[in-house]
Amino acid sequence: DGGITQSPKYLFRKEGQNVTLSCEQNLNHDAMYWYRQDPGQGLRLIYYSQIVNDFQKGDIAEGYSVSREKKESFPLTVTSAQKNPTAFYLCASSIAGREYGYTFGSGTRLTVV
Amino acid sequence: AQSVTQLGSHVSVSEGALVLLRCNYSSSVPPYLFWYVQYPNQGLQLLLKYTTGATLVKGINGFEAEFKKSETSFHLTKPSAHMSDAAEYFCAVGGGATNKLIFGTGTLLAVQP
Repeated sequence: DGGITQSPKYLFRKEGQNVTLSCEQNLNHDAMYWYRQDPGQGLRLIYYSQIVNDFQKGDIAEGYSVSREKKESFPLTVTSAQKNPTAFYLCASSIAGREYGYTFGSGTRLTVV
Repeated sequence: AQSVTQLGSHVSVSEGALVLLRCNYSSSVPPYLFWYVQYPNQGLQLLLKYTTGATLVKGINGFEAEFKKSETSFHLTKPSAHMSDAAEYFCAVGGGATNKLIFGTGTLLAVQP
């Protein structure tokens, strides 16, 4: 079955560490997105990519970085510059075309310890 | 620019009662409208979507929504709530220059026995 896979499901980070969240899709979708979710704040867009080797900042890109070297993969690195990284992170993908909506992964919960 | 407003961050209903979750949108172009559901510690799952054509849209789990252009609304309803409907619901609008969806801040639905 096609889908979008995020790993790990739970991740713990020490202060000052960089961590990378994985997002892989086998849906042949062109566009991929990263969102951060905090209680009561909905979904906030971190980065998105509409084509391989190209990506754009979303609303809260500071302290994060991404790459899009393959169509299937869009990893997110949470750097030490992100001062409050504890959150639920969601990856999504979509076909090019506004009417299709997104397919979401099951999320990664990142906690700073 | 596009935006979405979900009225009521928390809604509580009794089992068997009508569910009504409100969503109003703003869009300078014909909108594509979506409702997603999120269960705890999971990703978002598409409930239903409106693109063009019939304004009453039926989705999964007995939910439906009606697109009302004159009221710029896309409210989600279900005639009879079930305990398994307890979750967070997100309305989203698309149709701008990019594939990006704009999400509301979510409505947490509680179902009381």
